[in-house]
Amino acid sequence: EPEVTQTPSHQVTQMGQEVILRCVPISNHLYFYWYRQILGQKVEFLVSFYNNEISEKSEIFDDQFSVERPDGSNFTLKIRSTKLEDSAMYFCASIRLADYNEQFFGPGTRLTVL
Amino acid sequence: AQSVTQLGSHVSVSEGALVLLRCNYSSSVPPYLFWYVQYPNQGLQLLLKYTTGATLVKGINGFEAEFKKSETSFHLTKPSAHMSDAAEYFCAVSDLTSGTYKYIFGTGTRLKVLA
Repeated sequence: EPEVTQTPSHQVTQMGQEVILRCVPISNHLYFYWYRQILGQKVEFLVSFYNNEISEKSEIFDDQFSVERPDGSNFTLKIRSTKLEDSAMYFCASIRLADYNEQFFGPGTRLTVL
Repeated sequence: AQSVTQLGSHVSVSEGALVLLRCNYSSSVPPYLFWYVQYPNQGLQLLLKYTTGATLVKGINGFEAEFKKSETSFHLTKPSAHMSDAAEYFCAVSDLTSGTYKYIFGTGTRLKVLA
């Protein structure tokens, strides 16, 4: 069964450094998302991406964040200058064009900023 | 705007007892509703979903939920709790008003199962 994959599973970085989180959505999916979950808190929407552009972003998704689909398979989230408060689990998700009902989530990347 | 409220951040039940986790939603359009389970240090696993049709939906691991429009609720139940059910449970609604179908999650309920 196709699944969303994310790499790395755990990323440790120093404050101020740039990080890129990678996701490979399911191949025939056309909408892509990033969500964030700070430890012990709820899952929060960051950004949605469709047709090679951002379709919606939350207040969390400030200028330090960017997303890109550099090729036909990868979907990346970049944080330019990480802060301590960026430490969280980041989930990628995607949905099919024909079935808007269910998002398929990746296993997540745990980002730790020291 | 759509929103989700989960009453009770922590719920404890005895093994074999009924599990009831509450979820209420706010939506200006007929909602798509979901329950996810998250085990420690793991990702989100879909338990069940409601989109259209039958209001009682059955999911994996013996869980089910009933969509009640009049009460704007989508409570999750399981007749008999098992130790392996101990986890965090999230209710979510798909935002059908923004056109992006993003999920709005509740704050989660941590289920503890007592031996």
